[in-house]
Amino acid sequence: ELKVEQNPLFLSMQEGKNYTIYCNYSTTSDRLYWYRQDPGKSLESLFVLLSNGAVKQEGRLMASLDTKARLSTLHITAAVHDLSATYFCAVINYGGSQGNLIFGKGTKLSVKP
Amino acid sequence: EADIYQTPRYLVIGTGKKITLECSQTMGHDKMYWYQQDPGMELHLIHYSYGVNSTEKGDLSSESTVSRIRTEHFPLTLESARPSHTSQYLCASSRRREGYQETQYFGPGTRLLVL
Repeated sequence: ELKVEQNPLFLSMQEGKNYTIYCNYSTTSDRLYWYRQDPGKSLESLFVLLSNGAVKQEGRLMASLDTKARLSTLHITAAVHDLSATYFCAVINYGGSQGNLIFGKGTKLSVKP
Repeated sequence: EADIYQTPRYLVIGTGKKITLECSQTMGHDKMYWYQQDPGMELHLIHYSYGVNSTEKGDLSSESTVSRIRTEHFPLTLESARPSHTSQYLCASSRRREGYQETQYFGPGTRLLVL
């Protein structure tokens, strides 16, 4: 059974600092997604990582994928308040869920001045 | 921006009522999904559909039912709502391409409160 674990689950950081969110998954998959969710809102797609070594960057966020280690990271550079949200990683499950996504529990990020 | 819509956005109802949550997408996506999400928690897949006349149960057991009579429409029905059904329900859709499903796009969600 595919399991997806994120850490930390809660992250409070100061503006201007750097930090990394980690996403580990338990079985082989070659497709990983990062989503952002603002309080009371729906999910917004941030990145799709399709292969080992894939790296994508958008603004202050950079995501990478290591399929051999079954690990993805979401790196935040010089955080600003607008990045406060919950970030979910999700992995394609080719097993019992017929190619559906399995989500991590989410990392709630709070950026303080 | 994704063209996927959900109604109602908020719903407060009494126990035992029958409700239908609507979800429509205008992107021509073949696959659609319903997720349940409690506040601050992870998403759980409760139903999905590969296309018209296809419905499947997801990873989380649910007392709800779904139908897919038209490609663009994927309603979710609770025959008899209970307080344990209080949650946020998110609809999503994706396109199949070359053997895999592309990114899922999410609707704005329906917040359901059952008294």
